[in-house]
Amino acid sequence: KQEVTQIPAALSVPEGENLVLNCSFTDSAIYNLQWFRQDPGKGLTSLLLIQSSQREQTSGRLNASLDKSSGRSTLYIAASQPGDSATYLCAVEGGGSARQLTFGSGTQLTVLP
Amino acid sequence: EAQVTQNPRYLITVTGKKLTVTCSQNMNHEYMSWYRQDPGLGLRQIYYSMNVEVTDKGDVPEGYKVSRKEKRNFPLILESPSPNQTSLYFCASSLWSGENIQYFGAGTRLSVL
Repeated sequence: KQEVTQIPAALSVPEGENLVLNCSFTDSAIYNLQWFRQDPGKGLTSLLLIQSSQREQTSGRLNASLDKSSGRSTLYIAASQPGDSATYLCAVEGGGSARQLTFGSGTQLTVLP
Repeated sequence: EAQVTQNPRYLITVTGKKLTVTCSQNMNHEYMSWYRQDPGLGLRQIYYSMNVEVTDKGDVPEGYKVSRKEKRNFPLILESPSPNQTSLYFCASSLWSGENIQYFGAGTRLSVL
């Protein structure tokens, strides 16, 4: 059964720093990996999706990488801002037919002004 | 505006009193699913539906029912709620084919006393 782990569980950084969030998964037979953002009282918003055949995806200040063979992904946030404060979740879509996502527990990020 | 709408957003009930949480999407998505989110456990899938009249169990289906009579609606039914179903619930939808970018509702916080 797929397991997804995110480290650290919480992270606090001063504004302007570059930072990396980590995600690892146990079964490399995946279709894709997604990074989501969750704000308090709101649902999840998809940030980046990396197909299993891809190595990375970029959107603005965000860059996500995928190393499927080692079961790892990183989310790089450049020049962090207080508005980036949120919980970041990674999720993998397994190799079955159900299109099910398996989520990590998330990293709670606080960017201090 | 593309959206997934859940109602109610907050609900307090007592053990054994049947309740329904509604979910509706306006994107003509085939795939819809329900997740629950608990501290330290991440999001876990309860049920999913690949299309009208097609539903299947996720990882934690016990105590829940769903139906998919129309493409846009996917209600979650708790026939006899128990305190261990106190949680934050999310509905999500996506296209069945192509990239599985899932759109999430804002969540329903349920407390069962």
